[in-house]
Amino acid sequence: EVQLVESGGGLVKPGGSLRLSCAASGFTFTSYNMEWVRQAPGKGLEWVSSISSSSSYIYYADSVKGRFTISRDNAKNSLYLQMNGLGAEDTALYYCAREGWDLPDYWGQGTLVTVSS
Amino acid sequence: QSVLTQPPSASGTPGQRVTISCSGSSSNIGNNYVNWYQQVPGTAPKLLIYRNNQRPSGVPDRFSGSKSGTSASLAISGVRSEDEADYYCATWDDSLSRQGVFGGGTKLTVL
Repeated sequence: EVQLVESGGGLVKPGGSLRLSCAASGFTFTSYNMEWVRQAPGKGLEWVSSISSSSSYIYYADSVKGRFTISRDNAKNSLYLQMNGLGAEDTALYYCAREGWDLPDYWGQGTLVTVSS
Repeated sequence: QSVLTQPPSASGTPGQRVTISCSGSSSNIGNNYVNWYQQVPGTAPKLLIYRNNQRPSGVPDRFSGSKSGTSASLAISGVRSEDEADYYCATWDDSLSRQGVFGGGTKLTVL
Protein backbone atom coordinates (compact mmCIF):
# COMPACT_ATOMS: atom_id res chain seq x y z
CA GLU A 1 0.00 0.00 0.00
CA VAL A 2 1.34 3.41 -0.99
CA GLN A 3 1.85 5.65 2.02
CA LEU A 4 3.03 9.24 2.10
CA VAL A 5 3.40 10.90 5.50
CA GLU A 6 4.21 14.59 5.71
CA SER A 7 5.72 16.32 8.73
CA GLY A 8 7.41 19.56 9.68
CA GLY A 9 4.51 21.97 9.44
CA GLY A 10 3.74 24.52 12.13
CA LEU A 11 3.46 28.18 13.02
CA VAL A 12 6.20 30.45 11.72
CA LYS A 13 6.64 34.22 11.66
CA PRO A 14 6.69 36.18 8.39
CA GLY A 15 10.13 36.00 6.85
CA GLY A 16 10.89 32.75 8.62
CA SER A 17 11.85 29.32 7.34
CA LEU A 18 10.49 25.81 7.61
CA ARG A 19 11.52 22.43 6.25
CA LEU A 20 8.83 19.93 5.33
CA SER A 21 9.50 16.21 5.04
CA CYS A 22 7.60 13.38 3.42
CA ALA A 23 8.27 9.73 4.27
CA ALA A 24 7.30 7.38 1.46
CA SER A 25 6.61 3.65 1.65
CA GLY A 26 4.79 0.90 -0.19
CA PHE A 27 6.38 1.55 -3.59
CA THR A 28 9.80 1.83 -5.24
CA PHE A 29 10.59 5.43 -4.37
CA THR A 30 13.53 5.65 -6.78
CA SER A 31 11.23 4.97 -9.74
CA TYR A 32 8.95 7.94 -9.29
CA ASN A 33 9.02 11.69 -9.62
CA MET A 34 7.56 13.42 -6.59
CA GLU A 35 5.62 16.63 -6.07
CA TRP A 36 4.43 19.14 -3.49
CA VAL A 37 0.96 20.64 -3.83
CA ARG A 38 -0.61 23.09 -1.38
CA GLN A 39 -4.08 24.24 -0.49
CA ALA A 40 -4.77 27.50 1.33
CA PRO A 41 -7.67 27.39 3.82
CA GLY A 42 -10.95 27.30 1.92
CA LYS A 43 -9.17 27.58 -1.44
CA GLY A 44 -8.29 25.31 -4.34
CA LEU A 45 -5.23 23.21 -5.07
CA GLU A 46 -1.98 24.90 -6.10
CA TRP A 47 0.95 23.00 -7.57
CA VAL A 48 4.21 23.99 -5.83
CA SER A 49 7.13 21.93 -7.13
CA SER A 50 8.24 18.64 -8.61
CA ILE A 51 11.47 16.65 -8.68
CA SER A 52 12.41 13.79 -10.95
CA SER A 53 13.40 10.36 -9.63
CA SER A 54 17.13 11.10 -9.83
CA SER A 55 16.79 14.81 -8.96
CA SER A 56 17.90 15.71 -12.48
CA TYR A 57 14.80 17.75 -13.25
CA ILE A 58 13.29 20.22 -10.79
CA TYR A 59 10.42 22.62 -11.42
CA TYR A 60 8.82 25.34 -9.31
CA ALA A 61 5.69 27.44 -9.41
CA ASP A 62 6.43 31.12 -10.07
CA SER A 63 4.94 31.95 -6.67
CA VAL A 64 7.69 30.06 -4.81
CA LYS A 65 10.65 30.24 -7.19
CA GLY A 66 13.76 31.54 -5.43
CA ARG A 67 12.30 30.92 -1.97
CA PHE A 68 11.52 27.19 -1.88
CA THR A 69 13.87 24.28 -2.59
CA ILE A 70 12.69 20.75 -3.26
CA SER A 71 15.01 17.81 -2.66
CA ARG A 72 14.91 14.08 -2.04
CA ASP A 73 17.00 11.39 -0.40
CA ASN A 74 16.44 8.14 -2.25
CA ALA A 75 18.38 6.18 0.38
CA LYS A 76 15.85 7.31 2.97
CA ASN A 77 12.74 7.21 0.76
CA SER A 78 12.15 10.83 1.69
CA LEU A 79 11.08 14.04 -0.02
CA TYR A 80 11.75 17.52 1.37
CA LEU A 81 10.67 21.11 0.85
CA GLN A 82 12.84 23.87 2.30
CA MET A 83 10.79 27.03 2.56
CA ASN A 84 12.48 30.39 3.15
CA GLY A 85 11.14 33.95 3.19
CA LEU A 86 7.67 32.78 4.17
CA GLY A 87 4.73 35.15 3.88
CA ALA A 88 1.06 35.03 4.80
CA GLU A 89 0.29 33.85 1.26
CA ASP A 90 2.20 30.63 1.99
CA THR A 91 -0.24 29.61 4.73
CA ALA A 92 -1.67 26.32 3.50
CA LEU A 93 -1.95 22.58 3.90
CA TYR A 94 1.04 21.12 2.06
CA TYR A 95 0.56 17.76 0.37
CA CYS A 96 3.29 15.41 -0.71
CA ALA A 97 2.30 13.47 -3.82
CA ARG A 98 3.70 10.69 -5.97
CA GLU A 99 3.81 11.53 -9.65
CA GLY A 100 2.27 8.65 -11.52
CA TRP A 101 0.68 9.01 -14.95
CA ASP A 102 2.40 12.39 -15.47
CA LEU A 103 0.73 14.05 -12.46
CA PRO A 104 -0.06 13.18 -8.80
CA ASP A 105 -1.67 9.80 -8.32
CA TYR A 106 -1.23 9.22 -4.59
CA TRP A 107 -1.37 11.95 -1.97
CA GLY A 108 -0.43 12.21 1.70
CA GLN A 109 -2.76 13.70 4.30
CA GLY A 110 -0.86 16.99 4.36
CA THR A 111 0.97 19.11 6.92
CA LEU A 112 -0.28 22.55 7.88
CA VAL A 113 1.94 25.60 7.57
CA THR A 114 0.71 28.80 9.21
CA VAL A 115 2.60 32.05 8.68
CA SER A 116 1.59 34.65 11.22
CA SER A 117 3.13 37.10 13.65
CA GLN B 1 -6.81 33.38 -11.06
CA SER B 2 -6.25 29.82 -12.23
CA VAL B 3 -4.65 29.06 -15.58
CA LEU B 4 -7.33 26.41 -16.12
CA THR B 5 -10.93 27.62 -15.97
CA GLN B 6 -13.63 25.54 -14.31
CA PRO B 7 -17.16 26.55 -13.33
CA PRO B 8 -17.24 27.20 -9.57
CA SER B 9 -20.31 25.06 -9.07
CA ALA B 10 -22.38 22.30 -10.63
CA SER B 11 -25.41 20.41 -9.46
CA GLY B 12 -27.65 17.51 -10.30
CA THR B 13 -30.29 15.23 -8.86
CA PRO B 14 -29.52 11.57 -8.16
CA GLY B 15 -29.34 9.57 -11.38
CA GLN B 16 -28.69 12.57 -13.60
CA ARG B 17 -25.66 13.04 -15.82
CA VAL B 18 -23.44 15.93 -14.79
CA THR B 19 -20.51 17.36 -16.72
CA ILE B 20 -17.74 19.66 -15.52
CA SER B 21 -15.64 21.60 -18.00
CA CYS B 22 -12.01 22.67 -17.86
CA SER B 23 -10.75 25.26 -20.31
CA GLY B 24 -7.10 26.01 -20.99
CA SER B 25 -4.77 26.91 -23.84
CA SER B 26 -2.30 25.42 -26.29
CA SER B 27 0.52 25.64 -23.76
CA ASN B 28 -1.27 23.44 -21.24
CA ILE B 29 -4.30 21.29 -22.12
CA GLY B 30 -3.59 21.55 -25.84
CA ASN B 31 -0.22 19.87 -25.45
CA ASN B 32 -0.47 17.70 -22.34
CA TYR B 33 -2.56 15.03 -20.67
CA VAL B 34 -5.30 16.06 -18.25
CA ASN B 35 -6.04 14.48 -14.88
CA TRP B 36 -9.13 14.88 -12.73
CA TYR B 37 -9.28 14.73 -8.95
CA GLN B 38 -12.10 14.41 -6.44
CA GLN B 39 -11.74 15.99 -3.02
CA VAL B 40 -14.24 15.45 -0.25
CA PRO B 41 -13.87 18.36 2.23
CA GLY B 42 -11.38 17.55 4.97
CA THR B 43 -9.67 14.79 3.01
CA ALA B 44 -6.80 14.52 0.53
CA PRO B 45 -7.56 14.63 -3.20
CA LYS B 46 -8.16 11.34 -4.97
CA LEU B 47 -7.19 10.59 -8.57
CA LEU B 48 -10.31 10.07 -10.65
CA ILE B 49 -9.14 10.22 -14.28
CA TYR B 50 -5.61 10.19 -15.72
CA ARG B 51 -4.30 10.77 -19.24
CA ASN B 52 -7.54 12.45 -20.32
CA ASN B 53 -9.85 9.46 -20.13
CA GLN B 54 -8.31 6.59 -18.15
CA ARG B 55 -9.78 5.41 -14.87
CA PRO B 56 -7.56 4.02 -12.09
CA SER B 57 -8.68 0.70 -10.70
CA GLY B 58 -11.42 1.14 -8.15
CA VAL B 59 -12.95 4.24 -9.73
CA PRO B 60 -16.52 3.49 -10.86
CA ASP B 61 -17.19 3.60 -14.59
CA ARG B 62 -19.80 6.29 -13.90
CA PHE B 63 -16.86 8.66 -14.12
CA SER B 64 -15.44 9.42 -17.56
CA GLY B 65 -13.11 12.03 -19.01
CA SER B 66 -12.54 13.52 -22.42
CA LYS B 67 -10.37 16.12 -24.08
CA SER B 68 -10.72 18.12 -27.26
CA GLY B 69 -8.25 20.78 -28.31
CA THR B 70 -7.66 23.10 -25.36
CA SER B 71 -10.61 21.90 -23.27
CA ALA B 72 -11.37 18.86 -21.18
CA SER B 73 -14.42 17.61 -19.38
CA LEU B 74 -15.42 15.22 -16.65
CA ALA B 75 -18.75 13.44 -16.85
CA ILE B 76 -20.55 11.67 -14.05
CA SER B 77 -23.41 9.52 -15.25
CA GLY B 78 -25.99 8.50 -12.69
CA VAL B 79 -24.72 10.92 -10.04
CA ARG B 80 -25.03 9.75 -6.44
CA SER B 81 -25.13 11.62 -3.14
CA GLU B 82 -21.64 10.35 -2.30
CA ASP B 83 -20.30 12.15 -5.38
CA GLU B 84 -20.84 15.49 -3.66
CA ALA B 85 -17.32 16.90 -3.51
CA ASP B 86 -14.91 19.34 -5.14
CA TYR B 87 -13.49 18.37 -8.53
CA TYR B 88 -10.24 19.65 -10.00
CA CYS B 89 -8.65 19.32 -13.43
CA ALA B 90 -4.86 19.42 -13.73
CA THR B 91 -2.17 19.36 -16.37
CA TRP B 92 1.27 20.75 -17.16
CA ASP B 93 1.92 24.18 -18.66
CA ASP B 94 4.96 24.67 -20.88
CA SER B 95 4.58 28.38 -21.70
CA LEU B 96 7.78 29.68 -20.07
CA SER B 97 9.04 27.05 -17.70
CA ARG B 98 7.32 23.75 -17.06
CA GLN B 99 4.82 24.11 -14.24
CA GLY B 100 1.93 22.07 -12.99
CA VAL B 101 -1.43 23.80 -13.09
CA PHE B 102 -4.80 23.08 -11.47
CA GLY B 103 -8.22 24.40 -12.29
CA GLY B 104 -9.95 26.50 -9.66
CA GLY B 105 -12.19 23.60 -8.70
CA THR B 106 -15.89 22.86 -9.11
CA LYS B 107 -18.12 22.14 -6.16
CA LEU B 108 -20.66 19.49 -7.08
CA THR B 109 -23.92 19.53 -5.15
CA VAL B 110 -26.27 16.57 -5.39
CA LEU B 111 -29.76 17.93 -4.80
